[in-house]
Amino acid sequence: RKEVEQDPGPFNVPEGATVAFNCTYSNSASQSFFWYRQDCRKEPKLLMSVYSSGNEDGRFTAQLNRASQYISLLIRDSKLSDSATYLCVVIGFPPNQAGTALIFGKGTTLSVSS
Amino acid sequence: DTEVTQTPKHLVMGMTNKKSLKCEQHMGHRAMYWYKQKAKKPPELMFVYSYEKLSINESVPSRFSPECPNSSLLNLHLHALQPEDSALYLCASSHPAGAGPDTEAFFGQGTRLTVV
Repeated sequence: RKEVEQDPGPFNVPEGATVAFNCTYSNSASQSFFWYRQDCRKEPKLLMSVYSSGNEDGRFTAQLNRASQYISLLIRDSKLSDSATYLCVVIGFPPNQAGTALIFGKGTTLSVSS
Repeated sequence: DTEVTQTPKHLVMGMTNKKSLKCEQHMGHRAMYWYKQKAKKPPELMFVYSYEKLSINESVPSRFSPECPNSSLLNLHLHALQPEDSALYLCASSHPAGAGPDTEAFFGQGTRLTVV
């Protein structure tokens, strides 16, 4: 089983739509959770951290369910500029390693059209 | 300053060349990472340094050799690479896990490497 699994996508939505991405992680000892955004040929950039209490930043809402080992990202009122790949990232323990690292899901591609 | 600076931005090298990728941050982060990313794939972990010591090596071939000379710098030495090593190499830094609540990582713009 992969450490971090995401919806495969791609998601193609019209402007103004609400879209939700889901992610699950396999290691219950994972410590911190994030959504990153990556534009084509650019580096990943932090979109938001994810907390157990849920957190919101404008049109973006992130949720964490530790019991289910599940993370979500909701984007409301999609804009053309939201088109990107969204990466679910967990700080966890790579197999057979003593240290921790950012472990990435495969990413979900979002395309917002007018 | 939340910047991670990587040099060079682009690199073309032959299979017999030796080159180095450099990464620098001044955020006081004591965890630094190298990732490799191929097109349409997520970043793939290569190495992690924590407090200037190598804490993770994800079975990376020895033609890639990391170095962390101090808490602000991270290098990746390249030697005898293969064409399939062509990729975007990303450096990132963060506070080490467990060192506090703010453990998000910041990425450099990457070095786009082509091996010919």
